[in-house]
Amino acid sequence: EVQLVGSGGGLVQPGGSLRLSCEASGFTFSDQYMDWVRQAPGKGLEWVGRIRNKANSYSTVYAASVKGRFTISRDDSKKSLYLQMNSLKTEDTAVYYCARDTQAAAFDIWGQGTMVTVSP
Amino acid sequence: QSALTQPASVSGSPGQSITISCTGTSSDVGRYKYVSWYQQHPGRAPQLIIYEVNVRPSGVSNRFSGSKSGNTASLTISGLQAEDEADYYCSSYTISATVVFGGGTKLTVL
Repeated sequence: EVQLVGSGGGLVQPGGSLRLSCEASGFTFSDQYMDWVRQAPGKGLEWVGRIRNKANSYSTVYAASVKGRFTISRDDSKKSLYLQMNSLKTEDTAVYYCARDTQAAAFDIWGQGTMVTVSP
Repeated sequence: QSALTQPASVSGSPGQSITISCTGTSSDVGRYKYVSWYQQHPGRAPQLIIYEVNVRPSGVSNRFSGSKSGNTASLTISGLQAEDEADYYCSSYTISATVVFGGGTKLTVL
């Protein structure tokens, strides 16, 4: 079965750090671009960033709102995607989804989402 | 990068057709064919229903169709069904190699 399973969410204080993980199965993970998308409670979707595949040098792109604070990485041997979040702010509170990117900026497989709460 | 503009809500009766618009700029929607649409039911992850403006993924009903004119993309749902009641989001690739989403549209089936 093709799926993404996210983990690592939780409660963290402002200024703190958290690392999310996303494990893939059912497809050739190493060939794919992978993205993170978040959704604040009761709000819309917000794209966070993308990591390309080895053929494209694992290059990354980030939304302006997280650039310099968040880092996306991957371990193809573990079929895993990561989101390292530093200097967290209350406005980073959201459900974070990992998603497979079709390379046409379309996300055809989504994880179940993992909740991150940034609060004093 | 500002969010794409969608109506906050639309409604229709079963069997009718509705259209949701998604307005961007010449740096995103107007520049690329990489416009997608997602359906999201409460408490669930989004599901891709249209990509590259008008392509339906395998398994998506042909009642869903997409189009684009200039800086505005549109999603049309024909033969409305109760199960179509959900939030709908558009997205586009941008000139900065990022992705921008619309604010979302809540569809109510009357």
